[in-house]
Amino acid sequence: QSALTQPASVSGSPGQSITISCTGTSRDVGGHNYVSWYQHYPGKAPKLIIYDVTVRPSGVSDRFSGSKSGSTASLTISGLQTEDEADYYCCSYTVGRTLLFGGGTKVTVL
Amino acid sequence: EVQLLASGGGLVQPGGSLRLSCAASGFTFKSYTMNWVRQAPGKGLEWVSAISGSGGSTFYADSVKGRFTISRDNSNNMVYLQVNSLRAEDTATYFCAKGPPNLNPLYIDVWGQGTTVTVSS
Repeated sequence: QSALTQPASVSGSPGQSITISCTGTSRDVGGHNYVSWYQHYPGKAPKLIIYDVTVRPSGVSDRFSGSKSGSTASLTISGLQTEDEADYYCCSYTVGRTLLFGGGTKVTVL
Repeated sequence: EVQLLASGGGLVQPGGSLRLSCAASGFTFKSYTMNWVRQAPGKGLEWVSAISGSGGSTFYADSVKGRFTISRDNSNNMVYLQVNSLRAEDTATYFCAKGPPNLNPLYIDVWGQGTTVTVSS
């Protein structure tokens, strides 16, 4: 099964908002509301920042928000900060009862 | 505090086998689905396998089905991944990761640090 489609890179200046898209199919993203997003600093363990499309775990900044339309999910980072520079991955539960990750997006703060 | 400590990685020849282990603590282990996720050098995350809290249900990515086997020991809060018939493309850091209290692997809420598997002759 092919990975979900994410842009390879997204950049923005401090204080700006950026949005990362995650496109799948009706067998994954479009089929239910189990889309999650992870922040990953290289060499560290990834961190869950959004689950069930829109839910932020306790302790995650409200600058992170998630949404979905059809088979495309999105992660928006508002008020971009230097510490947001990391890799971001979307992930979806699938009809095959598996998880499927996106290819990852490198966020650069200019 | 939830902790997941993976071990068992190493250098193995193509066609070889390894057993990866993950020691869990800080939560009611038997109630949660557990996962293995890998990241090949310079590549993205790839979900590999999951097992339900009771161990009665297991799930695999197509890329490893028939070669990898996930299991758990709820008495000792351990989850394992037996990796057989290893190929160069299995070279990766393998993360042990905890899921929500659901039969199915809906998402991952806590990640361990990972153990590295290198397949090379």
